[in-house]
Amino acid sequence: GIQVEQSPPDLILQEGANSTLRCNFSDSVNNLQWFHQNPWGQLINLFYIPSGTKQNGRLSATTVATERYSLLYISSSQTTDSGVYFCAVRDLNYGQNFVFGPGTRLSVLP
Amino acid sequence: GAVVSQHPSRVICKSGTSVKIECRSLDFQATTMFWYRQFPKQSLMLMATSNEGSKATYEQGVEKDKFLINHASLTLSTLTVTSAHPEDSSFYICSAQMGGRKAFFGQGTRLTVV
Repeated sequence: GIQVEQSPPDLILQEGANSTLRCNFSDSVNNLQWFHQNPWGQLINLFYIPSGTKQNGRLSATTVATERYSLLYISSSQTTDSGVYFCAVRDLNYGQNFVFGPGTRLSVLP
Repeated sequence: GAVVSQHPSRVICKSGTSVKIECRSLDFQATTMFWYRQFPKQSLMLMATSNEGSKATYEQGVEKDKFLINHASLTLSTLTVTSAHPEDSSFYICSAQMGGRKAFFGQGTRLTVV
């Protein structure tokens, strides 16, 4: 099956700093999403981005499908950005479900 | 946006009893739903794929007789943990995909077996 890696595993930032989270995947995919898991466990959709670039406020994401990676940018981080960020991919050759990366645990300090 | 509702959000049960978790797609029909399990500080691992009107497909290593899945309608899938033991304590999350594209997740259920 598809393998998904994320880096860094842990990240500590001061409020206001910028950061880049990376997701590498082992095979071509037709679906990629970024999620934020809040402290209560809820997974929040951030981006549906199988290719290209999207922006939503302080967050933006870029997926280069031909090189099998995706980046999530967080600018001017806030304490509410803390939590775990997951990249999840899907390829119908492997099934309908999403395969999750191990996540990046982000802590933003005041 | 699409909403997936999961209930209960938290449950504590005695060892040996069974617990049922419901997952509903509130504003769209989902022919397929997915059940994931998440241990503390780990990622989500797929347990099974729930198909409306047919048997669920379980991932390797997941006991189908312990984790019973029923997908009786296009908006409801249930996961029943039978004869629960402390090692079944975990965070269970359901998911449904709208239009085969975006995945939406329930709030999760934190199960504690004592």
